[in-house]
Amino acid sequence: DADVTQTPRNRITKTGKRIMLECSQTKGHDRMYWYRQDPGLGLRLIYYSFDVKDINKGEISDGYSVSRQAQAKFSLSLESAIPNQTALYFCATSDLGAGSSTDTQYFGPGTRLTVL
Amino acid sequence: AQSVTQPDIHITVSEGASLELRCNYSYGATPYLFWYVQSPGQGLQLLLKYFSGDTLVQGIKGFEAEFKRSQSSFNLRKPSVHWSDAAEYFCAVGTRGYNKLIFGAGTRLAVHP
Repeated sequence: DADVTQTPRNRITKTGKRIMLECSQTKGHDRMYWYRQDPGLGLRLIYYSFDVKDINKGEISDGYSVSRQAQAKFSLSLESAIPNQTALYFCATSDLGAGSSTDTQYFGPGTRLTVL
Repeated sequence: AQSVTQPDIHITVSEGASLELRCNYSYGATPYLFWYVQSPGQGLQLLLKYFSGDTLVQGIKGFEAEFKRSQSSFNLRKPSVHWSDAAEYFCAVGTRGYNKLIFGAGTRLAVHP
């Protein structure tokens, strides 16, 4: 089974609709992230969470919100979807302990979102 | 601010040829550096990473990368490319202490038989 799962894998919606993308992980990591990928731009950070009570905006958080329901679950919401939010969305997790050198991010398979 | 530049958007090589993908970064201190690969329709898979120590890093699938502080570079290499290496490759720099990754725009690799 995959360590980081995302649902749905594909979604087509209309402008103005509310959309939620979900991410679950079985790695036991404290840190979770949401990125979007656009052609020619690489991945850009939307939000990140270092634990259930710690949520932070990334570089492109406008138009998005998140919820960390549990250590293993991190959801991304588009309150009112617009066409320029059409992108590939990735969830990632990482674990960093004191003095650890293992702060590597592990990615889910992605959700392809199309906003018409 | 941290940034990552991958100068080559597309690269095409013949199967069996050597490969070098370029990555330059901007960061005020010693960075964490990563290479990820994204196969068509797949998520990102970590190829290798550099945190400290030996500047030549070995990764999975026969890839290696060399950290050159003087050139602010972390180029990815493979001596002999296989058709299955066709994918998009992303270089990323991590910020110490907060574990946020800044990604380059990616290099798309095509492999000719």
